[in-house]
Amino acid sequence: RKEVEQDPGPFNVPEGATVAFNCTYSNSASQSFFWYRQDCRKEPKLLMSVYSSGNEDGRFTAQLNRASQYISLLIRDSKLSDSATYLCVVNDRDSGTYKYIFGTGTRLKVLA
Amino acid sequence: EAGVTQSPTHLIKTRGQQATLRCSPISGHTSVYWYQQALGLGLQFLLWYDEGEERNRGNFPPRFSGRQFPNYSSELNVNALELEDSALYLCASSPELTNTGELFFGEGSRLTVL
Repeated sequence: RKEVEQDPGPFNVPEGATVAFNCTYSNSASQSFFWYRQDCRKEPKLLMSVYSSGNEDGRFTAQLNRASQYISLLIRDSKLSDSATYLCVVNDRDSGTYKYIFGTGTRLKVLA
Repeated sequence: EAGVTQSPTHLIKTRGQQATLRCSPISGHTSVYWYQQALGLGLQFLLWYDEGEERNRGNFPPRFSGRQFPNYSSELNVNALELEDSALYLCASSPELTNTGELFFGEGSRLTVL
């Protein structure tokens, strides 16, 4: 089983739609969680951290379910500019040090 | 302020050769991470350096090695290159030992092994 798993997509949605991605992780002791965005042929950039209580940043909402070991990202009112690959990232504590594990990403295409 | 810079942008090698990739972190950042992004496999964690020391290592063979210099820049060496080493190698930096999640990535070095 992969440490971090995501549906690769692509998710093709019309502008204005709401879309949700899930990500599961295998290590129940994982410490912290994040969503990154990677545009085509560009480097990944932090989109938002994911907190246990859930958090929102504009049109983006992230949720963490520790019991079921999954993280979600909800995008409301999708824009063309939201088209990108969304990477789920888990920070595992490993023998006293940390390791950021990236999922393979979910591709989103927002269509006009 | 300059971001993370990587060199070379592109590198072409043949099987069995050695490749050296370089990374300069953001000024003030002491941690450097290396990732391999091969087609369809996502980012695979390679190495993490902080304050000149290797802090963690991913599941890669020993022919993948690196180091961090006193100015916090870093080098990734890949010996005895194999075809499947062809990938984008991304370097990221962060300020000190942190688990806050903010890794700042360079644009990567694309290695092609023929």
